[in-house]
Amino acid sequence: KQEVTQIPAALSVPEGENLVLNCSFTDSAIYNLQWFRQDPGKGLTSLLLIQSSQREQTSGRLNASLDKSSGRSTLYIAASQPGDSATYLCAGDSGGSNYKLTFGKGTLLTVNP
Amino acid sequence: GAVVSQHPSWVICKSGTSVKIECRSLDFQATTMFWYRQFPKQSLMLMATSNEGSKATYEQGVEKDKFLINHASLTLSTLTVTSAHPEDSSFYICSATGTTYNEQFFGPGTRLTVL
Repeated sequence: KQEVTQIPAALSVPEGENLVLNCSFTDSAIYNLQWFRQDPGKGLTSLLLIQSSQREQTSGRLNASLDKSSGRSTLYIAASQPGDSATYLCAGDSGGSNYKLTFGKGTLLTVNP
Repeated sequence: GAVVSQHPSWVICKSGTSVKIECRSLDFQATTMFWYRQFPKQSLMLMATSNEGSKATYEQGVEKDKFLINHASLTLSTLTVTSAHPEDSSFYICSATGTTYNEQFFGPGTRLTVL
């Protein structure tokens, strides 16, 4: 059974810092990987999708990478802002007919002004 | 594009009643929809997967007679929590995929509170 670990569970940084969030899968056979943002009491906002043929994706100040040999992914946030404060979730699927996602518990990020 | 809506956004009901939650894909045809629940400070747990026109596939430990899922069209799936109890109180989130399959788009969630 696939399990996903996200480290750290919580992170507090001053505004402007660059930071890295980590995600690891017990089964490294990840097909697609998504990083999401969740604000308190809200649904999920998709940030980046790394598809099966890709190893990295970038969007603005965000960069996500996936090392399929180790089953590890990182989300890099550059020049953090207070508006980045949220819980960040990673999730992966192993392909197949329905592409079911397995989620980590998330990293709660607080960016202090 | 790729917008998914849920209705209601929150609901409070009495123990023993049934509650229906709708999930709609607004600008694409959702071949597959997923239902998740999330407890406070926990991750999303997949409850079931549904394909349009066929019966839902439930994850281990999820009671299919309690959580009824209907995916009658390519833009609508419903989750009915039957005979709800306080332990069913949770945040329910749906997601949908289109023909490309590899990306799920999530709804805003429904907060269910059972008194």
